[in-house]
Amino acid sequence: DAGVTQSPTHLIKTRGQQVTLRCSPKSGHDTVSWYQQALGQGPQFIFQYYEEEERQRGNFPDRFSGHQFPNYSSELNVNALLLGDSALYLCASSLFVGDEQFFGPGTRLTVL
Amino acid sequence: GDSVTQMEGPVTLSEEAFLTINCTYTATGYPSLFWYVQYPGEGLQLLLKATKADDKGSNKGFEATYRKETTSFHLEKGSVQVSDSAVYFCALSEHAGGTSYGKLTFGQGTILTVHP
Repeated sequence: DAGVTQSPTHLIKTRGQQVTLRCSPKSGHDTVSWYQQALGQGPQFIFQYYEEEERQRGNFPDRFSGHQFPNYSSELNVNALLLGDSALYLCASSLFVGDEQFFGPGTRLTVL
Repeated sequence: GDSVTQMEGPVTLSEEAFLTINCTYTATGYPSLFWYVQYPGEGLQLLLKATKADDKGSNKGFEATYRKETTSFHLEKGSVQVSDSAVYFCALSEHAGGTSYGKLTFGQGTILTVHP
């Protein structure tokens, strides 16, 4: 059984560009959460998706948006990239909201 | 808002030494508390959890007790191994009406290095 998978592994963009990160949840999981982990810091909650809708959101600007598909996979989109968006982006899935979250290996985004 | 504070790191120990990593939290309600571990090049893994006051979470020789009176959830292990070298994160998840929101609030992480 594959765990949570994320793509791509690494990504380099320039300021002002847009980026899309992808996540496939663990089999049977229908809830997906996204976190941003800056270097040397703990992960920070971006948002959570369940039943294809954003259910909770952390303190991130509207430049950060997401989507969940009928197969429960999810995308994180970031527009107008800033240098400060450079981080490891983690996806986590759970059987239901509030259940144990299983994390993927992350996508390392570098903004130049 | 909710917050988690971990002891300043990094922590360097010799094999078989005793480990303590301090964690304190601020929350408006009655959160569940977690310790996650991040091995080099890997994603976060849940190490242990506790869902109410005085609960003790344990796994792989690690333990932590939910102390509501001191708002703490310190991680301990009696004898560390080289394979325990990793980054450890304390985290909380708020509840309302018995249901967890699911959002995790993390501390800044503590790097543990264990030497043979």
